[in-house]
Amino acid sequence: NAGVTQTPKFRILKIGQSMTLQCTQDMNHNYMYWYRQDPGMGLKLIYYSVGAGITDKGEVPNGYNVSRSTTEDFPLRLELAAPSQTSVYFCASSYVDSTGYTFGSGTRLTVV
Amino acid sequence: AQSVTQLDSQVPVFEEAPVELRCNYSSSVSVYLFWYVQYPNQGLQLLLKYLSGSTLVKGINGFEAEFNKSQTSFHLRKPSVHISDTAEYFCAVSATVGYGGSQGNLIFGKGTKLSVKP
Repeated sequence: NAGVTQTPKFRILKIGQSMTLQCTQDMNHNYMYWYRQDPGMGLKLIYYSVGAGITDKGEVPNGYNVSRSTTEDFPLRLELAAPSQTSVYFCASSYVDSTGYTFGSGTRLTVV
Repeated sequence: AQSVTQLDSQVPVFEEAPVELRCNYSSSVSVYLFWYVQYPNQGLQLLLKYLSGSTLVKGINGFEAEFNKSQTSFHLRKPSVHISDTAEYFCAVSATVGYGGSQGNLIFGKGTKLSVKP
């Protein structure tokens, strides 16, 4: 049972480049989330989804886009990478609320 | 909306000493409360959670936390720490109900780095 799988684990981008962070879960969870973690700041919610075809903004959505075409996948898109997007990104999933989160192992992104 | 304040950014402690990591929250609705641990270069692992019922919650690795509604606190404690407890600890809160699925959203504190010295 893989849980929540994130790829890639590490990536270096140049300013202005674009990329997609992949997130897949195999637990048939309805809810999925993207958080970013910056040193000394904790984790902040970027986007979340309550089911296929439904997404909504979190606390820090600017510069990111998401889609949810299937229950399993919740990719995060960076269109024009900026140094401020240097961070560790965590994907998570749960059934219907916060009581049963499963986190992925994270993607460390550096924008130079 | 909810918010979380972790009162200490760093807590150094000697091995086998007791430790308390402090967490206060703010919310206008009822909440669920969580403590997560993050070991160096790893993801987040759930230590314990308060959903309802007994205010004293026991978690993994000998940790426990007490929910105090009047003081809006959820402090984490361990009577005797080990070197292996060195990690960053995050307190998190979510509303028990919300609109559009927002009840699933976790609000995290900024974290407390626990450093256990021999």
